[in-house]
Amino acid sequence: EADIYQTPRYLVIGTGKKITLECSQTMGHDKMYWYQQDPGMELHLIHYSYGVNSTEKGDLSSESTVSRIRTEHFPLTLESARPSHTSQYLCASRRGLNTEAFFGQGTRLTVV
Amino acid sequence: SQQGEEDPQALSIQEGENATMNCSYKTSINNLQWYRQNSGRGLVHLILIRSNEREKHSGRLRVTLDTSKKSSSLLITASRAADTASYFCATDPSRDDYKLSFGAGTTVTVRA
Repeated sequence: EADIYQTPRYLVIGTGKKITLECSQTMGHDKMYWYQQDPGMELHLIHYSYGVNSTEKGDLSSESTVSRIRTEHFPLTLESARPSHTSQYLCASRRGLNTEAFFGQGTRLTVV
Repeated sequence: SQQGEEDPQALSIQEGENATMNCSYKTSINNLQWYRQNSGRGLVHLILIRSNEREKHSGRLRVTLDTSKKSSSLLITASRAADTASYFCATDPSRDDYKLSFGAGTTVTVRA
């Protein structure tokens, strides 16, 4: 059983609101990731982190930002949500290179 | 664009039949991994094959890797209804980078 948690599972918010999607893991993993996935579509890497105080942008340009102040916590923030941000956001973590990634259950975001 | 591309996009088979899906990638890799996703939830790791390996087995799963062709295949033998899911390949780049990029996925439907 993976010890990585995302909250909330579902979120419906209005345009222009600021939101933070939470992701926490208790496995002590250094590497953490955020992916964006539309239903039935591919996963797009939007942010990743090598460890505390390290964040990198992924393959897909995103208006979101991330922070990594603690090993176990990797929140994603949207300063001003728009309908185009409607999607599922998946968080993952792993120990390092050549290791498997563990995924949270995802946050399904709808911006109205 | 994403590192891995799966083929076919969708596959429908009868229970008991074998399912084969392919993944192609663009740059050198340290390893290639396969994941399963049920009903848009979080992904679950299936198998990891390193760049110096050619074939790997795990239960009813068989993975091959051809680095000269930059391709991998996943074979599920004796499929079951519970194998109905989307399957994704992911690659770890060979340089010192922990980015984990996913392909578009193959949706497999196993008919009872």
